[in-house]
Amino acid sequence: GAVVSQHPSRVICKSGTSVKIECRSLDFQATTMFWYRQFPKKSLMLMATSNEGSKATYEQGVEKDKFLINHASLTLSTLTVTSAHPEDSSFYICSASGASGRASGTDTQYFGPGTRLTVL
Amino acid sequence: DAKTTQPPSMDCAEGRAANLPCNHSTISGNEYVYWYRQIHSQGPQYIIHGLKNNETNEMASLIITEDRKSSTLILPHATLRDTAVYYCIVRDQTGANNLFFGTGTRLTVIP
Repeated sequence: GAVVSQHPSRVICKSGTSVKIECRSLDFQATTMFWYRQFPKKSLMLMATSNEGSKATYEQGVEKDKFLINHASLTLSTLTVTSAHPEDSSFYICSASGASGRASGTDTQYFGPGTRLTVL
Repeated sequence: DAKTTQPPSMDCAEGRAANLPCNHSTISGNEYVYWYRQIHSQGPQYIIHGLKNNETNEMASLIITEDRKSSTLILPHATLRDTAVYYCIVRDQTGANNLFFGTGTRLTVIP
């Protein structure tokens, strides 16, 4: 149980284009989803937190107009990197909580396999 | 959330127990200790968590000291597939749900 998937696993795009990454909770309803970014040899950094049906909360320094997050259902959240540039190349990882069915503050986060974005 | 301190790296012989320490001396009463691991180029994998009592599941055991200022993750019979970066995280269950990932311990299991 508690499986999270991401699609695509790897994407290469040209500078200036937009890229959408999907995060799905396959066997539970995710009341809260999180998006992280990880640069090579660095630890994960939280970008934003989203609750189903409401606007995402972005961490300081993360541009909300550049990284659009939509959490339209209890099993799907999407991250769109708009007008991507080479410095946006990174490993993007989502996580989801809500597997217990209790309030999100008490739930374990389960992570997706990650999406490696390369912007040329 | 309280910060944690872990050794940057450890080696363990295949088949032996791997004991990964974590110091969380500023942990507060309502904070849980979580352990995740990240194998190269994959998303983090949940291992185990606990509050006060020792915990065991199919992956590992978590030993928390009585004063809760430190803990040890034990992989009873390490295999080569356990080579990964292990993260010890303390989290307030009543507040924000986000996790803060420090630098973790890079465990290398040696044949």
